[in-house]
Amino acid sequence: GAVVSQHPSRVICKSGTSVKIECRSLDFQATTMFWYRQFPKQSLMLMATSNEGSKATYEQGVEKDKFLINHASLTLSTLTVTSAHPEDSSFYICSASPWGRIGYTFGSGTRLTVV
Amino acid sequence: AQKITQTQPGMFVQEKEAVTLDCTYDTSDQSYGLFWYKQPSSGEMIFLIYQGSYDEQNATEGRYSLNFQKARKSANLVISASQLGDSAMYFCAMREGLSSNTGKLIFGQGTTLQVKP
Repeated sequence: GAVVSQHPSRVICKSGTSVKIECRSLDFQATTMFWYRQFPKQSLMLMATSNEGSKATYEQGVEKDKFLINHASLTLSTLTVTSAHPEDSSFYICSASPWGRIGYTFGSGTRLTVV
Repeated sequence: AQKITQTQPGMFVQEKEAVTLDCTYDTSDQSYGLFWYKQPSSGEMIFLIYQGSYDEQNATEGRYSLNFQKARKSANLVISASQLGDSAMYFCAMREGLSSNTGKLIFGQGTTLQVKP
């Protein structure tokens, strides 16, 4: 149980276009979803925290107009990378913690390449 | 602000031997949770073990144990009887507060473990 489904797993897009990444909690309600970014062989850096029905909270240094987060329902959170540039190429991964469970469940991640 | 430090970028261990991965943390909170995750080359994050700040006994999960030294603010992961499949990147992480689903998780830099046959 406690699965977070993340799509797409890989995406290549042209510079200047937007890309949407979806994370769905399949068997629990995710009132809060965390979005991370990871460069090769580096740590997971928290980008933002999304809460169902309210605006996301962004970490310092993260451009909220570039990384749009929507958490419209208890089972779906999306991250849209707008006007993507090559420097946005990275591994993006979402996470949520089912109520009453200790561990956080992660999506499988999205490897974004901007060309 | 909370901070997690992993000072070992890479570690090698012989198959079937034990290995300790270091983690130190800094927080002004009295209530916090410490986690270890494994990330294979596929990128998935696998939850290994958890230690709450008020837990008096060290956590254990199969071959994984957490050496929790609260006064020293360290939470080292011990993997016993290493297997080839243990080769991966390992992250220590901390959540301030004991809330189970709203507290954000902050990660250390990670340690890449390679198990030699």
